[in-house]
Amino acid sequence: GAVVSQHPSRVICKSGTSVKIECRSLDFQATTMFWYRQFPKKSLMLMATSNEGSKATYEQGVEKDKFLINHASLTLSTLTVTSAHPEDSSFYICSATTFQGYGYTFGSGTRLTVV
Amino acid sequence: SQQGEEDPQALSIQEGENATMNCSYKTSINNLQWYRQNSGRGLVHLILIRSNEREKHSGRLRVTLDTSKKSSSLLITASRAADTASYFCATDRQGAQKLVFGQGTRLTINP
Repeated sequence: GAVVSQHPSRVICKSGTSVKIECRSLDFQATTMFWYRQFPKKSLMLMATSNEGSKATYEQGVEKDKFLINHASLTLSTLTVTSAHPEDSSFYICSATTFQGYGYTFGSGTRLTVV
Repeated sequence: SQQGEEDPQALSIQEGENATMNCSYKTSINNLQWYRQNSGRGLVHLILIRSNEREKHSGRLRVTLDTSKKSSSLLITASRAADTASYFCATDRQGAQKLVFGQGTRLTINP
């Protein structure tokens, strides 16, 4: 079946630094990837949708300069949290799809802690 | 943006009992999916029901969809302690090409 690898699974960074999270589709080419954010005991909130080779589409209220998304190839999307602050601490999950029968495949998530 | 609501927000039952979770949504959909998430972990896809389907089964899971009421239910029969997790519905909205999640139900199965 379709597999999405997300890395790192956990990261701790200092305030003011930037952190990059990678999302890779291992055995299929993902035309579209999605990034979600999840606060403790809450649901997944869609942050943005990225299509290979084009700019990401951000959901209302999500700062695109804060959360930089790059989808440079059909198998890789990255989310960079820039100038991280403690309030950016959260669980980030990516998802990938081809919209051709693979459905949506989710990564295992990244727990970001900003200290 | 959240698509809709799930109820109950939390459910605690005894092992062996059945658990029912409900999901409501607001817009027209292509399909509705249910996922499970253990604490602090990734999502596990449970079942997908298309907009032209009314009921679907998978093992101990039974999902119904009522598009006229914009609602779905997930029934887990003969629950086990290992079923303890959060359960989310997610809708694949027509014309949107993205998956939007409900608020989720935290299910606790007591041994």
